[in-house]
Amino acid sequence: GAVVSQHPSRVICKSGTSVKIECRSLDFQATTMFWYRQFPKKSLMLMATSNEGSKATYEQGVEKDKFLINHASLTLSTLTVTSAHPEDSSFYICSASLPGAPEAFFGQGTRLTVV
Amino acid sequence: DAKTTQPPSMDCAEGRAANLPCNHSTISGNEYVYWYRQIHSQGPQYIIHGLKNNETNEMASLIITEDRKSSTLILPHATLRDTAVYYCIVRVSSGGSNYKLTFGKGTLLTVNP
Repeated sequence: GAVVSQHPSRVICKSGTSVKIECRSLDFQATTMFWYRQFPKKSLMLMATSNEGSKATYEQGVEKDKFLINHASLTLSTLTVTSAHPEDSSFYICSASLPGAPEAFFGQGTRLTVV
Repeated sequence: DAKTTQPPSMDCAEGRAANLPCNHSTISGNEYVYWYRQIHSQGPQYIIHGLKNNETNEMASLIITEDRKSSTLILPHATLRDTAVYYCIVRVSSGGSNYKLTFGKGTLLTVNP
């Protein structure tokens, strides 16, 4: 089946720095990818929709200047957490789907810890 | 997308069938029922989906009631590796690239040896 890969799987950064997370569709082209965030013992919350070649669409309450999304190619979307703070520590997950396919494929997730 | 209600947790003995219920009483005629699961610290994994007929694949069976207001995911022979949070999601359309999902709290299934 289709594979979506995230990198890194874990990252620790200092408060105030920026962190970039990559999401790649390994064997298919994805015009649309989605970014989710999950806090401990909570469900996934959609953050934004990443559109290849155009601006991302952010969900209500998600700061677009803090969570920069770039979808420069059909196989890569990046999420940059800018000026990270401890409250940004979370599990970040991306997903993509094949056009016309019923299921979404998820990356393995990135555990971000801001110290 | 219609709201779903699932029990917060369930237990199952290894080797037995696990039956996970989901209520979606406000489902519309064009909405599908999807099931995903999330093993601890991993991304979610698609299991199965259906509209009104029962469905079966290599992972599970999906039983949808005739009025479509509820469904049951069946893992016929649960193993320890099936321990995960199972999410029942209702959404319009069975495909398309604009595939954002709204996750509820899901059911934590614990398979015991």
